Amino acid sequence: AQRVTQPEKLLSVFKGAPVELKCNYSYSGSPELFWYVQYSRQRLQLLLRHISRESIKGFTADLNKGETSFHLKKPFAQEEDSAMYYCALSGFGNEKLTFGTGTRLTIIP
Amino acid sequence: DGGITQSPKYLFRKEGQNVTLSCEQNLNHDAMYWYRQDPGQGLRLIYYSQIVNDFQKGDIAEGYSVSREKKESFPLTVTSAQKNPTAFYLCASSFSMRITEAFFGQGTRLTVV
Repeated sequence: AQRVTQPEKLLSVFKGAPVELKCNYSYSGSPELFWYVQYSRQRLQLLLRHISRESIKGFTADLNKGETSFHLKKPFAQEEDSAMYYCALSGFGNEKLTFGTGTRLTIIP
Repeated sequence: DGGITQSPKYLFRKEGQNVTLSCEQNLNHDAMYWYRQDPGQGLRLIYYSQIVNDFQKGDIAEGYSVSREKKESFPLTVTSAQKNPTAFYLCASSFSMRITEAFFGQGTRLTVV
């Protein structure tokens, strides 16, 4: 079975402060990890995926297989980062895409 | 205009009735998904389909049914057997064999009255 855990339902951070959204996963095979974001009144969309090793909107996430984690980080929060963030997991060759319960991030001006 | 379209946006159903939610994509994606989004519970997978004429149960398939007769269409039927059908339903699609990115529709809010 595959599972994604996001321990924080709500997270508030001051503008300019660092942000870290936690994600832990459980999967017996080789995982693919993603972060999706849903801004107010917009569709859920991909933010980044671990295989790309890229930084999107200043966000990065590193897959730590030892700790089975894929935390999302940004050094300096901006007001436009306020949104709902979902961590998601799939396996190579397995199209079942499983999401966590999400974290609502609020950036305080 | 390419993308994934769900209809209707809002749907009301009387208790005991079946209702079908539409999901259409013109992205030429093989894989399609249905999720249910409830406050505090994130997105829970109802059904997914990797290819035409094939689909698999997700984590909460009871009370739901799907079909995949065409590549571009993946309708979801909420049956009267679903105990708590009032929810926000999201459809998504992605390239098959290996997920690179899932594209989501705008969702359908179903209310049982």
